[in-house]
Amino acid sequence: DVKVTQSSRYLVKRTGEKVFLECVQDMDHENMFWYRQDPGLGLRLIYFSYDVKMKEKGDIPEGYSVSREKKERFSLILESASTNQTSMYLCASQLGSGTGTDTQYFGPGTRLTVL
Amino acid sequence: QKEVEQNSGPLSVPEGAIASLNCTYSDRGSQSFFWYRQYSGKSPELIMFIYSNGDKEDGRFTAQLNKASQYVSLLIRDSQPSDSATYLCAVNMKARGGADGLTFGKGTHLIIQP
Repeated sequence: DVKVTQSSRYLVKRTGEKVFLECVQDMDHENMFWYRQDPGLGLRLIYFSYDVKMKEKGDIPEGYSVSREKKERFSLILESASTNQTSMYLCASQLGSGTGTDTQYFGPGTRLTVL
Repeated sequence: QKEVEQNSGPLSVPEGAIASLNCTYSDRGSQSFFWYRQYSGKSPELIMFIYSNGDKEDGRFTAQLNKASQYVSLLIRDSQPSDSATYLCAVNMKARGGADGLTFGKGTHLIIQP
């Protein structure tokens, strides 16, 4: 079974802090994604990565950056947290392009509160 | 702008009946379609995916795709209280293996009444 883990289930930070959210997958997947989920807005793509050190902006990248130094790990960084970044953050992984399947598997999520 | 539309519900269905969930999408270039189930406070889990027009069955679940009309649906037969959840429709723009993320609908809240 695919396993995607996230470093924290719940996180409380203060405005202006630098925040790191970590995601690890154990299935040698090429592609990894960060989404945020908000009531009434649904799931929205922040960034994704299709290889080590490669990244692409999603629909709402403003205020975020990412890092992928190793294949199994994809980090989301909030450079200076703001209250409007309070949300549920979901990481997902995908086997890879040309594999015949593009199913994405989700981690358990991190509920971030910025005070 | 890629859009995926779902009726937010709640959709209330008696136990044992068929639940029908619908989804429309705006981009004719869409190639892959997914249904995820999400329980409150949990992350989405995959139920089914479908790539080709027609029906695809897996146990009590049937996904239906009509690319000409740009809609995809999910039927749940013999609905159980444990099926009560929010169902998310997701669309991937690229053909198989595309790495540009999924566009999600906002989900339909399904309630199965015992």
